[in-house]
Amino acid sequence: EPEVTQTPSHQVTQMGQEVILRCVPISNHLYFYWYRQILGQKVEFLVSFYNNEISEKSEIFDDQFSVERPDGSNFTLKIRSTKLEDSAMYFCASSEDSRELDEQYFGPGTRLTVT
Amino acid sequence: DQQVKQNSPSLSVQEGRISILNCDYTNSMFDYFLWYKKYPAEGPTFLISISSIKDKNEDGRFTVFLNKSAKHLSLHIVPSQPGDSAVYFCAASGTGNQFYFGTGTSLTVIP
Repeated sequence: EPEVTQTPSHQVTQMGQEVILRCVPISNHLYFYWYRQILGQKVEFLVSFYNNEISEKSEIFDDQFSVERPDGSNFTLKIRSTKLEDSAMYFCASSEDSRELDEQYFGPGTRLTVT
Repeated sequence: DQQVKQNSPSLSVQEGRISILNCDYTNSMFDYFLWYKKYPAEGPTFLISISSIKDKNEDGRFTVFLNKSAKHLSLHIVPSQPGDSAVYFCAASGTGNQFYFGTGTSLTVIP
């Protein structure tokens, strides 16, 4: 069964450093998403991406964040200058259709620890 | 601003009995609701959904009930099995792609 993969599984970085979280969505999917879950809190939507541009983003997704699909297979989330409060699990998801939200497939997540 | 709330952080149920997980929402514009299940070290996986035009949706052992007037939905699992032990997230959506998740309920099914 096709699956979304994410690398690395755990990233430790110092405050102020840039990090790039990588995701490989399912190959025939067209819509891509990033979510995060701070430990003990709810899963929060960050951004959705379609046709090489952001289609929707939340208040959390400020200028420190950016997304890119650099090569047709990877989908990346960049945090320009990490803060302690960016420590969280980051989940990538992909889907064939934007509205079929039950068809969103999630990756296993990247745990980001900012020290 | 928590638009979706799961007030029970944990629930323990004996194998074979019914598990009932609850979720409340505040936004009357939400028209689509989902339940996701999450095992440790894995991403959430879709379990079951319901749109606001229905008040019940059933899939095997899983049934979701929606009470629009109370802004409440629940997930029933019967009979519960040890493999159902996981964290269950309720999520809701209105217009647009954005989903609002609850904080999750950790279900433990005791053999």
